[in-house]
Amino acid sequence: QKEVEQNSGPLSVPEGAIASLNCTYSDRGSQSFFWYRQYSGKSPELIMSIYSNGDKEDGRFTAQLNKASQYVSLLIRDSQPSDSATYLCAVIPYTGGFKTIFGAGTRLFVKA
Amino acid sequence: DTGVSQDPRHKITKRGQNVTFRCDPISEHNRLYWYRQTLGQGPEFLTYFQNEAQLEKSRLLSDRFSAERPKGSFSTLEIQRTEQGDSAMYLCASSSQGTSAADTQYFGPGTRLTVL
Repeated sequence: QKEVEQNSGPLSVPEGAIASLNCTYSDRGSQSFFWYRQYSGKSPELIMSIYSNGDKEDGRFTAQLNKASQYVSLLIRDSQPSDSATYLCAVIPYTGGFKTIFGAGTRLFVKA
Repeated sequence: DTGVSQDPRHKITKRGQNVTFRCDPISEHNRLYWYRQTLGQGPEFLTYFQNEAQLEKSRLLSDRFSAERPKGSFSTLEIQRTEQGDSAMYLCASSSQGTSAADTQYFGPGTRLTVL
């Protein structure tokens, strides 16, 4: 079992729709969770971080965390073609340090 | 531009040669991370430093890989006796120790290594 799992996609949504990206993780003691966006040929950039169960909203982005189910998701409202990228889920497992484990990413295409 | 720089941006080498990459983090950041990324995969953790101390190193890393961060500023990643399987993008990231349990990592542009 991979430490962080994501559906590789591609996920295709029309412009203006809600894109839903999902991630599961194996270390039940994990405390810190992140969503990064990576455009083709570029480096990852942080979109959201979440540490507590529930929802966290930032503009068009909402991160959702359910530690009991070991599940974290990212919702993108009013999707734009510029949102087309690979979305990486990242987790810091409970090691007492800051080693960060990334999933393989989900490719999102937003059709105009 | 995040403020994290890496040099070189591209490196082509022959199998068996040694290569060294450099990362300059954002100046006030005390944590520095190295990752390796291959096509279609997420970044794979290699190691990280807090100031000059190397706190964790991936078990996946063979003895051919070594990293240093003298004086807690820039860092170097050396790969000895390169193999074709080492071909990848090598990413550096830095972060600042804040009051939260974890903090934002800012990534550099990466060094693309091709081993012939």
